[in-house]
Amino acid sequence: DAGVIQSPRHEVTEMGQEVTLRCKPISGHDYLFWYRQTMMRGLELLIYFNNNVPIDDSGMPEDRFSAKMPNASFSTLKIQPSEPRDSAVYFCASSTGTSGLTDTQYFGPGTRLTVL
Amino acid sequence: ILNVEQSPQSLHVQEGDSTNFTCSFPSSNFYALHWYRWETAKSPEALFVMTLNGDEKKKGRISATLNTKEGYSYLYIKGSQPEDSATYLCASDNYGQNFDFGPGTRLSVLP
Repeated sequence: DAGVIQSPRHEVTEMGQEVTLRCKPISGHDYLFWYRQTMMRGLELLIYFNNNVPIDDSGMPEDRFSAKMPNASFSTLKIQPSEPRDSAVYFCASSTGTSGLTDTQYFGPGTRLTVL
Repeated sequence: ILNVEQSPQSLHVQEGDSTNFTCSFPSSNFYALHWYRWETAKSPEALFVMTLNGDEKKKGRISATLNTKEGYSYLYIKGSQPEDSATYLCASDNYGQNFDFGPGTRLSVLP
């Protein structure tokens, strides 16, 4: 398996633009997680899905952020409109098993977002 | 306010030394404790997931213990090597309500 795949790897955009980050989890994994990593706040869990259903989105910073998982092999994290403070590395991770959060999570390579 | 704390913030050891660091977390509603190893410019690598009080897990020269009653976990590295240099993160899950990461311990192993 290729592991968790994220695209794009780097994204530079201007303030106010819409940004869409993409993630393909490891095949067969039931849980998918979106994280954001910044120097100020460290690693934060934004939202996670189980069987394509959002379970906990309490970490999503505000209404400008939305995440979807239309099927078991694809998820998107969208920021609209983007702001400079959204600049960060966004990680996607997936895991399997019945417990989700107690199982090993496999991280993707991350998307480095810069909002000018 | 950090729910999960780690100490020390950074650590420098000589190659061959053994070392350990601490993760403190809220013991109420505890569900699971995760340890990650994070090298610069790479994705976090999951090391351990522990759920039971008294759990001990081992992966090569790295091991971890868990005390859920008092809310702490230790990570040990035996015979540190330069390739162990990384930031070690712990994260606490409290019945799916919060999944909080600590600030990390940055380990540098000097050859």
